[in-house]
Amino acid sequence: DTGVSQNPRHKITKRGQNVTFRCDPISEHNRLYWYRQTLGQGPEFLTYFQNEAQLEKSRLLSDRFSAERPKGSFSTLEIQRTEQGDSAMYLCASSLVTSNQPQHFGDGTRLSIL
Amino acid sequence: DQQVKQNSPSLSVQEGRISILNCDYTNSMFDYFLWYKKYPAEGPTFLISISSIKDKNEDGRFTVFLNKSAKHLSLHIVPSQPGDSAVYFCAASVGQGGSEKLVFGKGTKLTVNP
Repeated sequence: DTGVSQNPRHKITKRGQNVTFRCDPISEHNRLYWYRQTLGQGPEFLTYFQNEAQLEKSRLLSDRFSAERPKGSFSTLEIQRTEQGDSAMYLCASSLVTSNQPQHFGDGTRLSIL
Repeated sequence: DQQVKQNSPSLSVQEGRISILNCDYTNSMFDYFLWYKKYPAEGPTFLISISSIKDKNEDGRFTVFLNKSAKHLSLHIVPSQPGDSAVYFCAASVGQGGSEKLVFGKGTKLTVNP
């Protein structure tokens, strides 16, 4: 079990730039989730996929955010025209929906906007 | 509005004693509840869960109690160990098994003193 892998671990960028994060789930997991965590808060749901289909998007996911899971394996989360308020930890999780097992989280990508 | 509330930001206990972490929820549709533990610079790690059809679930030193009428759950750790020092998040979902989107509380930082 190699776990959920997220890259990069830390991203520093200037306001207005675009950033992309990658998540590699546990290989047999068919569901993949993105959450965002800010200081002093718990993780907040952003979106999730079952295989390559995006099943739900939170209202938190503005039109500057886009997530993909093109072949039902890894996923990318892109933020366009970054703003100060986008600074957060972006967490990815995966699960096997038929197994009644909980979501397994990666260690996250910390985004810092200068 | 906060659907899952952890009203104690921090808790300090002595090694060997019981730690009790509390969580309240407002959405009566929630039917599955989980506790995650988080160390600094790591993603949340699943600890224990409980379905709404039960009122208690036990796994080693960890026990979760659910009081549906009060919309309250608690995590008991007995005996507490210094390695238990972490932030504990309560999470809830609509749908069994933890494969649906999770709604998290803000977390409680537990410190176990040797």
